[in-house]
Amino acid sequence: AQSVTQLDSHVSVSEGTPVLLRCNYSSSYSPSLFWYVQHPNKGLQLLLKYTSAATLVKGINGFEAEFKKSETSFHLTKPSAHMSDAAEYFCVVIPNYGGSQGNLIFGKGTKLSVKP
Amino acid sequence: DTAVSQTPKYLVTQMGNDKSIKCEQNLGHDTMYWYKQDSKKFLKIMFSYNNKELIINETVPNRFSPKSPDKAHLNLHINSLELGDSAVYFCASSRSGTGGLYNEQFFGPGTRLTVL
Repeated sequence: AQSVTQLDSHVSVSEGTPVLLRCNYSSSYSPSLFWYVQHPNKGLQLLLKYTSAATLVKGINGFEAEFKKSETSFHLTKPSAHMSDAAEYFCVVIPNYGGSQGNLIFGKGTKLSVKP
Repeated sequence: DTAVSQTPKYLVTQMGNDKSIKCEQNLGHDTMYWYKQDSKKFLKIMFSYNNKELIINETVPNRFSPKSPDKAHLNLHINSLELGDSAVYFCASSRSGTGGLYNEQFFGPGTRLTVL
């Protein structure tokens, strides 16, 4: 079965300090992995995606993530947090096989708080 | 122009009522989805639909039924509403993938349903 685990339900950082949001996945097939962001009372926006090309993926707003197969991880990082980064972040996996129908499997989310 | 729109944004109703949530996309996509986000922010696929087939998550009660008048619309109809149906419902759309390959899903802003 495919699944994704976000190791922290809440992360709090100070503005200007690095951000690390952790995600581990489980997949019998070579997966595609994504990070989505949800700002308060808003829909979901794709931050970045890994689809078996380069293992270090750069996304919008200065975020990046590295796919590490040996660790089954896809952690999200940003060198310097901004107040506007405060939001809920979802790690998502989609198993790449014919029957997957393209359905996203979401982690439970990590709430990022940024202190001034 | 909004890519994926949902109406209404908020819906408050009594138990036992029947209600619909509308979704429209102007991206020319041929696959649409409904997701449910519970009070703990957990997102789960309910349906995926293109002009060829409807895929239903087996955990979704049959009180929920998607209706697609055309490729640009996928409405969600809910019969006999229950307290546990209270959640935020997100519509999404994408191009069809082949062999399970992922095409980015674009999400609507969500509809917050409250059942009293």
